[in-house]
Amino acid sequence: SQQGEEDPQALSIQEGENATMNCSYKTSINNLQWYRQNSGRGLVHLILIRSNEREKHSGRLRVTLDTSKKSSSLLITASRAADTASYFCATEGGYSTLTFGKGTMLLVSP
Amino acid sequence: EPEVTQTPSHQVTQMGQEVILRCVPISNHLYFYWYRQILGQKVEFLVSFYNNEISEKSEIFDDQFSVERPDGSNFTLKIRSTKLEDSAMYFCASSKARTGWDSNYGYTFGSGTRLTVV
Repeated sequence: SQQGEEDPQALSIQEGENATMNCSYKTSINNLQWYRQNSGRGLVHLILIRSNEREKHSGRLRVTLDTSKKSSSLLITASRAADTASYFCATEGGYSTLTFGKGTMLLVSP
Repeated sequence: EPEVTQTPSHQVTQMGQEVILRCVPISNHLYFYWYRQILGQKVEFLVSFYNNEISEKSEIFDDQFSVERPDGSNFTLKIRSTKLEDSAMYFCASSKARTGWDSNYGYTFGSGTRLTVV
């Protein structure tokens, strides 16, 4: 089954630094999505990249997708303390369902 | 900004009892989903629902589970006889379109219902 697996599991940086999280998956996908979850709260959709796209930007977010390597990365530039959260990649295949990874916990210190 | 609303935010129930988790999806969305997240584990797909019927369901979604859209706004998940292992955060989600390679839309998730089975 297809799976999104993020690394690192945890990332601790200072405000103003960039944060990069990676995701790998196993099977073909229609798109890959990144979500954010604050502790104990719901999932917030951040960005979707389709299988025929290689890079996408949204504000301080930059997502890349390499379908040959079955991997994606999420870059958050100029991080803020408010970016502290867990970040999940989720892949969507042919059945319009999402398969989530375990997530990366990002801690941004002031 | 439109939201997916879930109630209750937290429910405690005794093993063997029936629970109904409620969701109000975004009004112009057509596809509805339930996911769950057991503490410390991945978010897992349970079921998708479109045009008043189940589109897809996972192995988790066995005969103990059912979904319903009883009126034009609510979308419910029923667990017939709860088990300890059903304790989890349950997320409802909706989407405007069937997301796929030609869509830019993601899913909108609710804040979840934390179900604790004792």
